[in-house]
Amino acid sequence: DVKVTQSSRYLVKRTGEKVFLECVQDMDHENMFWYRQDPGLGLRLIYFSYDVKMKEKGDIPEGYSVSREKKERFSLILESASTNQTSMYLCASRAPATQPNTEAFFGQGTRLTVV
Amino acid sequence: GENVEQHPSTLSVQEGDSAVIKCTYSDSASNYFPWYKQELGKGPQLIIDIRSNVGEKKDQRIAVTLNKTAKHFSLYITETQPEDSAVYFCAAEFWGGSQGNLIFGKGTKLSVKP
Repeated sequence: DVKVTQSSRYLVKRTGEKVFLECVQDMDHENMFWYRQDPGLGLRLIYFSYDVKMKEKGDIPEGYSVSREKKERFSLILESASTNQTSMYLCASRAPATQPNTEAFFGQGTRLTVV
Repeated sequence: GENVEQHPSTLSVQEGDSAVIKCTYSDSASNYFPWYKQELGKGPQLIIDIRSNVGEKKDQRIAVTLNKTAKHFSLYITETQPEDSAVYFCAAEFWGGSQGNLIFGKGTKLSVKP
């Protein structure tokens, strides 16, 4: 059974803290993504990565950075957490779009609350 | 930028009725359109997808149609059951350089009343 695993289901952090959200996939996918999900706004792409050490900005990268040191792991970093970053964060992985099966697999989500 | 519009944002139906969710997309070059279902407390999961070389696809009680000319695609759920209650997202693939990215609609919260 294919799997994308996010390290935490729930997190509560204080304003100004540096926060790490970890994601691991076991499908040997090149592509990994971080989305933010807010009511009424759907899934918004924060950052994505097509390969180890590579990263690209998505639609809402401000206040975030990412790290991809190994193929299976993609980390989202909140440099200085703020209350407007309280949200559900979803990690996804996917084979390259040029391959026949291009389903994106999602983790279960991390609900982050910044107080 | 590229955009996917999804309607309605909420939908309530009686068990056994049909549900329809509609999406439009902006990039005429898009050629892959998946639909995801997100149950409470879980990540989204693919339920069906369609490619631009196909106009319609069906899998048991769910079906999707695609109109490339109108840049419009729809999800149909027939004989709805309470377990169909969830948030549904449409998506379209947009190409930037050598890679494709999925852009999602804002979601439809479907409630099926027993």
